[in-house]
Amino acid sequence: EPEVTQTPSHQVTQMGQEVILRCVPISNHLYFYWYRQILGQKVEFLVSFYNNEISEKSEIFDDQFSVERPDGSNFTLKIRSTKLEDSAMYFCASTPSWGFGEQYFGPGTRLTVT
Amino acid sequence: KNEVEQSPQNLTAQEGEFITINCSYSVGISALHWLQQHPGGGIVSLFMLSSGKKKHGRLIATINIQEKHSSLHITASHPRDSAVYICAVRSNNYGQNFVFGPGTRLSVLP
Repeated sequence: EPEVTQTPSHQVTQMGQEVILRCVPISNHLYFYWYRQILGQKVEFLVSFYNNEISEKSEIFDDQFSVERPDGSNFTLKIRSTKLEDSAMYFCASTPSWGFGEQYFGPGTRLTVT
Repeated sequence: KNEVEQSPQNLTAQEGEFITINCSYSVGISALHWLQQHPGGGIVSLFMLSSGKKKHGRLIATINIQEKHSSLHITASHPRDSAVYICAVRSNNYGQNFVFGPGTRLSVLP
């Protein structure tokens, strides 16, 4: 069964460093999402992406965040200058269709900022 | 603002028990998603529904649009059902993204 993959599974970085989290969505899916889950808290929406541009973004997704689909398969989330409060699990998801599309989640990347 | 609440927050059951997890939300929605989060953190989609009822194996999800409420039922619960169950809704008016509930932590004891 096709699945969403994410790399790395765990990333440790120092405050102020840039990190890039990578996702490979399911190949025929068209809509992509990033979510964040701080330890012990609920999952929060960051951004959705379609047709090589951002469709929606939350208040969390400020100027230090960016997303890109550099090629036909990868979908990346970049955090320019990490802060301690960026420590969280980051999930990528994809869906084949807008509106009623069921979302398929990747296994997550645990980001630890020290 | 779309708020999503779940009850109970934590639930411990004996193997074989029938389990109900509830989700309520505050705005009109176009879709509701039930998700399962494993102890390792991975998230799996269980159901996506906008009306009525869906069944998959021992899992049943229902939604009442008028009452803004959904339930997830697990029949004949098993220790492998132990996980966090999350309700997420997509509103009619707040774009296409999902708003997630806080989750219900289920432990099924053998």
